[in-house]
Amino acid sequence: DQQVKQNSPSLSVQEGRISILNCDYTNSMFDYFLWYKKYPAEGPTFLISISSIKDKNEDGRFTVFLNKSAKHLSLHIVPSQPGDSAVYFCAASAWLPGNTPLVFGKGTRLSVIA
Amino acid sequence: SAVISQKPSRDICQRGTSLTIQCQVDSQVTMMFWYRQQPGQSLTLIATANQGSEATYESGFVIDKFPISRPNLTFSTLTVSNMSPEDSSIYLCSVGGQGSYEQYFGPGTRLTVT
Repeated sequence: DQQVKQNSPSLSVQEGRISILNCDYTNSMFDYFLWYKKYPAEGPTFLISISSIKDKNEDGRFTVFLNKSAKHLSLHIVPSQPGDSAVYFCAASAWLPGNTPLVFGKGTRLSVIA
Repeated sequence: SAVISQKPSRDICQRGTSLTIQCQVDSQVTMMFWYRQQPGQSLTLIATANQGSEATYESGFVIDKFPISRPNLTFSTLTVSNMSPEDSSIYLCSVGGQGSYEQYFGPGTRLTVT
C-alpha cells in the first residue's frame, strides 16, 4: 500500500515558467514532508522540507505548499531552469526526519525545455 | 549538511556471492539509514543502524541477507549476501542531524547481479 503517492510520472515545462509537482499521502500520522531532487547516478539531494504546523515554506526558487486536510503537498519551482531537469521525490515521516526513516513516493521526472 | 561517501560506487557481481558496501560520514551522527532503489521504483528502507546496537530491519528484509555493522558514529557497512539478480538495485545510506528537519543521502552504490 503506497502511503506517499506521486501520480504524475513525468512533467515537461518551458524554461522560465513555473513547475508544479504534486504529492498525496494517506497516513495521517505524517507530520514532516521533504522534497528531493535526483540526477542519474547520484544520490537524492535534499531541496526543502515542511512540518505540518505550516502550510508554506519557501527557499529561493522552491516553495512547498501543504494542505493537511486534503493530505496533499506540492513543490513549486519558479522560474524553471534546464538544470532543474531531474527526478523529484516526495518523502514523509511521522517524526523529525533527522531521527526517522522516510517513506518515499515513486518520483516525478521533470524536463525543463529551453 | 553532512558529506557522505559510499564505496564502491558501482559493481557487477556473480550470483551467489556477497558484496559489502561502505558508508562514511564527515561528522558524528546517531542514526544512519540504508535504503534500496530497485529499477524504476521508489526508495525503500532496508534498516536503521544505530551505533552500539543491532540494526532494526524493515519488513521483508532480514539480517542474514543484509547484515549491517555500525562500529562508530561516522561509519557503517551493509552486506548484500548470496546475491541474486533481484538484488540488482541502487543502495543508499543516509543520515540526519539529531532533531533535524533534514536527511542527507550518499551518492549510492549501483549493484548489478548477473
